[in-house]
Amino acid sequence: DIQMTQSPSTLSASVGDRVTITCRASQSISSWLAWYQQKPGKAPKLLIYKASSLESGVPSRFSGSGSGTEFTLTISSLQPDDFATYYCQQYNSYSPGALFGQGTKVEIK
Amino acid sequence: EVQLVESGGGLVKPGGSLRLSCAASGFTFSSYSMNWVRQAPGKGLEWVSSISSSSSYIYYADSVKGRFTISRDNAKNSLYLQMNSLRAEDTAVYYCARDFHGGKETYYFDYWGQGTLVTVSS
Repeated sequence: DIQMTQSPSTLSASVGDRVTITCRASQSISSWLAWYQQKPGKAPKLLIYKASSLESGVPSRFSGSGSGTEFTLTISSLQPDDFATYYCQQYNSYSPGALFGQGTKVEIK
Repeated sequence: EVQLVESGGGLVKPGGSLRLSCAASGFTFSSYSMNWVRQAPGKGLEWVSSISSSSSYIYYADSVKGRFTISRDNAKNSLYLQMNSLRAEDTAVYYCARDFHGGKETYYFDYWGQGTLVTVSS
């Protein structure tokens, strides 16, 4: 079975920092990867799909890159509203359904 | 405006049953695949089940296969999850989520409901 591994699990950063989160797949998933942001008590929000396509309405400080087995989500200048947990999700690969990474919590330093 | 509103959660004893509903509005429900995704307290996201736009393709996570049944009523713009033989490890917030498209494969989820809490405990 395919595995999705995010790193780090927790990240401490300051407002204005450039932040990078990595998601690795155990097998190639082409560009079939999405990124979500989740705040406590709220539903996840789609940020990026197809590895690098920005969802409508999402600030341009968020960007995604990668293909195959290694992917990154970058926040170019961290804002107070960005402190949250981020999940990657693979889709349309190998088996029906979707698989999420374990999440990366971005905390205030 | 797209809206997804879940209901039906609550406290149930191990071995019991519960039926979740998700009322959809603001889009052509019959054109999109729909999914259930859950999140145990303090844990990450787990995809549970998906159903294509016409109910032709239905998939389940191994953890719920044989116990949960997903269904939809396009005339009522509603999605359902019948949960039987519930276990303590099924305790979670259950979200309904709209798939990007309506076909056979599961893609990414562009709209989510607010979630409904299911607690399995004696």
